[in-house]
Amino acid sequence: AQSVAQPEDQVNVAEGNPLTVKCTYSVSGNPYLFWYVQYPNRGLQFLLKYITGDNLVKGSYGFEAEFNKSQTSFHLKKPSALVSDSALYFCAVRDAATDSWGKLQFGAGTQVVVTP
Amino acid sequence: DSGVTQTPKHLITATGQRVTLRCSPRSGDLSVYWYQQSLDQGLQFLIQYYNGEERAKGNILERFSAQQFPDLHSELNLSSLELGDSALYFCASSVGTASGNTIYFGEGSWLTVV
Repeated sequence: AQSVAQPEDQVNVAEGNPLTVKCTYSVSGNPYLFWYVQYPNRGLQFLLKYITGDNLVKGSYGFEAEFNKSQTSFHLKKPSALVSDSALYFCAVRDAATDSWGKLQFGAGTQVVVTP
Repeated sequence: DSGVTQTPKHLITATGQRVTLRCSPRSGDLSVYWYQQSLDQGLQFLIQYYNGEERAKGNILERFSAQQFPDLHSELNLSSLELGDSALYFCASSVGTASGNTIYFGEGSWLTVV
């Protein structure tokens, strides 16, 4: 079975400071990892994904994420947060080893609040 | 804009009724997915279609059904609605079925059952 944990319900950060949103996963095989963002009353927007290769993945809006196999983590980072980054962030995983098809497993989400 | 179009954006209906949610995938995408987002359950995968055929089922209730048509648009039918069915229903699409494919989401259909 595959699962995702986002240990923080909310992350508060001041504008201009680094932002980190944590994610850990559990799969039986190799993971395919994704980050999505949801702005109020909007759909999920794809930010970035890790499939294979370089452990540091760069995505949209200045976000990046680092895959750490030994720690089974895929934390989302942004060097300098903006007020407009305030949103709900979701980590998701698919197990490459199983016939997971559409079962993109989502974490519970982390609310990011960036204050001016 | 993800390119995935969902209608209606908002829907209010009474318990016991039936509604249909419609989705047009991104141009060129053959896979369509339906997800339900609620406060207590989070994001739950319901069902996936690929080129008109059902490919995977998740936590979809027997009162719910879906299909994908030859033009690749999809519909999610929700019947005998209960208060607990109130949620945001997302449609999503991807080019194929490979686990590494990016899944793009629409803006969702807000369903309120009263």
